Amino acid sequence: DIQMTQSPSTLSASVGDRVTITCRASQNINSWLAWYQQKPGKAPNLLIYKASFLEGGVPSRFSGSGSGTEFTLTINSLQPDDFATYYCQEYDTPSRTFGEGTKVESK
Amino acid sequence: EVRLVESGGGLIQPGGSLRLSCVASGIPVSRNYMSWVRQAPGKGLEWVALIYPGGSTYYTESVKGRFTMSRDTSKNMLYLQMNNVGADDAAIYYCARALGIAEPGKGEYFDRWGQGALVNVSS
Repeated sequence: DIQMTQSPSTLSASVGDRVTITCRASQNINSWLAWYQQKPGKAPNLLIYKASFLEGGVPSRFSGSGSGTEFTLTINSLQPDDFATYYCQEYDTPSRTFGEGTKVESK
Repeated sequence: EVRLVESGGGLIQPGGSLRLSCVASGIPVSRNYMSWVRQAPGKGLEWVALIYPGGSTYYTESVKGRFTMSRDTSKNMLYLQMNNVGADDAAIYYCARALGIAEPGKGEYFDRWGQGALVNVSS
């Protein structure tokens, strides 16, 4: 079975910081990767699909990159609304596996 | 505007059954890939089930033979029938629209989500 590993699991940052989250797949998934943001008590919100395509309505400070097995989500100039948990998800396989999540908290 | 609203969650005993519902507005469930994704308390996300526009259904291994996803296109609703429920099935269950590669053996990502329905399992 495919495994999706995110790092770090928790990240402490300040408003204005540039934040990078990594997601590694245990096998090649080409560019079939999505990123989601989830706030406490809320449903996940799609940010990025196909590794680097920004979902409509998502601020341009969010960007995604990578292909194959290693991917990154970058938040340029972290805003107060960005403190949340972020998940990657592969869709190259029928497993549709999510990473364990990265919590971005205030330093 | 797409809106998905789940209902039917609650407390069930181990081994019991429960049916979750999801009413969709803004999209026809008959022409979309629709899915259930769950999240155990304090845990990450797990894809559970999916139905194709043609009606084919797919499940994660741990629920095969116990859960059944279906739809009523006249009501624009989705259902998840959960049987022989165990402690590991306790979670918030989200109804979601899936967008995919549309190739055999591939998956989908989820672009629209409901607010979730909480399922508790306890004796």
